Amino acid sequence: SQKIEQNSEALNIQEGKTATLTCNYTNYSPAYLQWYRQDPGRGPVFLLLIRENEKEKRKERLKVTFDTTLKQSLFHITASQPADSATYLCALAPSGGYNKLIFGAGTRLAVHP
Amino acid sequence: GAGVSQSPSNKVTEKGKDVELRCDPISGHTALYWYRQSLGQGLEFLIYFQGNSAPDKSGLPSDRFSAERTGGSVSTLTIQRTQQEDSAVYLCASSSDLEDIQYFGAGTRLSVL
Repeated sequence: SQKIEQNSEALNIQEGKTATLTCNYTNYSPAYLQWYRQDPGRGPVFLLLIRENEKEKRKERLKVTFDTTLKQSLFHITASQPADSATYLCALAPSGGYNKLIFGAGTRLAVHP
Repeated sequence: GAGVSQSPSNKVTEKGKDVELRCDPISGHTALYWYRQSLGQGLEFLIYFQGNSAPDKSGLPSDRFSAERTGGSVSTLTIQRTQQEDSAVYLCASSSDLEDIQYFGAGTRLSVL
């Protein structure tokens, strides 16, 4: 069956450290993968998109990698801050279709001062 | 301009009643999506509208759920004869033809008593 999995346990890290979140998928051939941030009571907000032919993307303190052999994406936040505390969702767009995103359940990140 | 707007932000209803949830997408966005997010779960795709094409209703969980989009802009998601398992946050997103990013509203939290 098709699955997209994120670590369901919350990730607790110290301010200033690098947070790494994992997204694994099975039985999909994604055209691209996206990461979103969601704060309590709010809708998801787009962060980064990486396409199937890209290995790595960066935006300020954010970095995402995409390994289509391992069927995995890693999302990194360097020099993390308490304001980075939120739930992070990965979403993939199956190839051959339009922008019909399949979302993971998200990983909650807590950055402690 | 303004982002995606959803109303009401909260809705409490009794089992068996019908409810209507409204979404105002970003002006000029041709695509509109409805998702459902249950507690601790990822976003579940419900329905997708693209321009004047027939909507993709493949995610609607039962025939009690329907949606329409009038004039290519505002959309209404209707749930008839609500059940307690319909309790969730209903999120709407829109996107333009120019980028593969979905912009989300804050959602409607539906509670069926």
